[in-house]
Formats: sequence, C-alpha cells, structure tokens
Amino acid sequence: DTEVTQTPKHLVMGMTNKKSLKCEQHMGHRAMYWYKQKAKKPPELMFVYSYEKLSINESVPSRFSPECPNSSLLNLHLHALQPEDSALYLCASSQGVPNEQFFGPGTRLTVL
Amino acid sequence: AQKVTQAQTEISVVEKEDVTLDCVYETRDTTYYLFWYKQPPSGELVFLIRRNSFDEQNEISGRYSWNFQKSTSSFNFTITASQVVDSAVYFCALSELDTGGFKTIFGAGTRLFVKA
Repeated sequence: DTEVTQTPKHLVMGMTNKKSLKCEQHMGHRAMYWYKQKAKKPPELMFVYSYEKLSINESVPSRFSPECPNSSLLNLHLHALQPEDSALYLCASSQGVPNEQFFGPGTRLTVL
Repeated sequence: AQKVTQAQTEISVVEKEDVTLDCVYETRDTTYYLFWYKQPPSGELVFLIRRNSFDEQNEISGRYSWNFQKSTSSFNFTITASQVVDSAVYFCALSELDTGGFKTIFGAGTRLFVKA
C-alpha cells in the first residue's frame, strides 16, 4: 500500500464552524506533513511531525491545530477560519526527514 | 530572498520536443537535499527525484534527466521527446536544516504545456 489518503475531498465551512481534516498512510513512514496550497502557488509547509512529535510549526495561526494520534494518522483541526484560509490542504508522509515525500490528493477547503 | 527560483513560469512545447526546466537554489548549508515533484491537473504531487548535496552525479530515468551543478547552484530537469501526459506543474524543492529539523521549501513551479 503506497498511498496517502485524505478525507474529505471537499469541505465547505462557515467561519464559526469546527471541522477536521484527516490523513492516513500505511507505508510505515515516520514523518508526516501538512501543506497549504493556494491556486497557482507552490505548497507552503505548515507542520511537520516526526515520530509522532511536532517538530516544525511554521508560525501557523492557532485556528489550525494539528494532531498526530499515531504514526499512521494525522489530523488538522479547524476552528474560526477566515475566507483567506480557503485553499487545497495537502498531507504528505516520508520515511524520515528529509526523505522524498508522498502526497495525498488533498482536501479542497472553502471558508464562507 | 527566494530560496528556490524557477524563473520559467510557463513553457509551451509541441510533442516530441525536448524541454529543460530550470531550478536555482540558495542555501548556506553544506548538507541539503533537492527534489523535483510533478503536479498534474488532477492535483496530486508526485515525487520524481531526490539529490543530496554530496552527490553531484547526473541522473537519467527514461525520458527524464537531471543536471545538478553545485558551482552554479542549479538543479535542472530535462524531458526528452515530451508527451502530452507530461503536461503538469513541476516544482523544484530544497530541504535544509532549520530550527526543529529539515524544512522543505518549494519553488514557484513551472507550468509545462505539451501540445499534440
């Protein structure tokens, strides 16, 4: 199994909602990542988890809260988002850091 | 200053033409890693190649080849005999050590159109 899955594929939420994005990998990878990608822009790193511990937080606003319940799962909890947070959210995993990353298909988030 | 520069925003070629995508990087570290990823219209990023800073050997994989030159801080990617399926956005990326560990920075990407 060499894929990273992400749910949901699409999410529309209001500014007062609380929602979560989920990511799963079964490749035995020990590093997992969240990226944000706006249209026609490169992915921007948000968080890195290495061995289930948060190792990098790129000064992401607290309305984004990551969680790594185990080595296969990565969540991104969303609360009180702004319309400018609308983007494609990509999850990735890698054997370690800085190995090549395997990306999921992303969750397209729209904040109304 | 941009860490990874992909100066070509868009390139359009006709099928079977060769095309080179440029990537120039900037780092003070002696240990770093360079990557190329492909993002087809479907949106999912696909890993193509990784190079570490101590390995300047060029690489060929089928129609793809990569030229890593530390002297010019470049890591260029050539597609030989391009095909329509090569149409995608190609990102060059740099991983270097930062607070907390290695951090990956992507270039702005080059959008490649291959016309039949």
